[in-house]
Amino acid sequence: SQQGEEDPQALSIQEGENATMNCSYKTSINNLQWYRQNSGRGLVHLILIRSNEREKHSGRLRVTLDTSKKSSSLLITASRAADTASYFCATVKTNFGNEKLTFGTGTRLTIIP
Amino acid sequence: DTGVSQDPRHKITKRGQNVTFRCDPISEHNRLYWYRQTLGQGPEFLTYFQNEAQLEKSRLLSDRFSAERPKGSFSTLEIQRTEQGDSAMYLCASSLGSYGRAPSAQYFGPGTRLTVL
Repeated sequence: SQQGEEDPQALSIQEGENATMNCSYKTSINNLQWYRQNSGRGLVHLILIRSNEREKHSGRLRVTLDTSKKSSSLLITASRAADTASYFCATVKTNFGNEKLTFGTGTRLTIIP
Repeated sequence: DTGVSQDPRHKITKRGQNVTFRCDPISEHNRLYWYRQTLGQGPEFLTYFQNEAQLEKSRLLSDRFSAERPKGSFSTLEIQRTEQGDSAMYLCASSLGSYGRAPSAQYFGPGTRLTVL
């Protein structure tokens, strides 16, 4: 079963604009990860944020985590055509043993050149 | 390329046939996961190996499904008596982890797309 949902389900923006995607989840977590999926490269890990962290940056990516609201957001700044893909958040309940990922339903991002 | 590889990339089979998929993880990774993804959905966990031991299986994995990881290297996922509902993308991922270690990302293969006619 899916852990939660991404919002919006689909997003289209002009190249150069910023894109923000939100993720909500249902249970307590150890960490939350964002992945990108496109037909050319499959699922690619973008960034991991632990439950005791509130914000993390990686290049043009900024992730926030609010464990009290059970939500996370992914901001992609200065979008490029190559950012067109589906973006999934995935939660991990524990870092002892099975760190299975529970994915959301994804946001389909389209960057218009 | 030293990433996760899966074979075959595509498989078309008739209902009732058996199919087997292979996953070769990143060589030093001790953890291996199988997920299934249907159109428009996120991947769903199927099973997990730590080295050669299969430590967890999802309820999604019916008796027709079996997975192995002999010698803790490559893994196979077999589906017996396939049904149309088995049509999906089957994804394999690997990671390097140990108890109490910092959480780690999973590295995914390209997937095997199964179509059951």
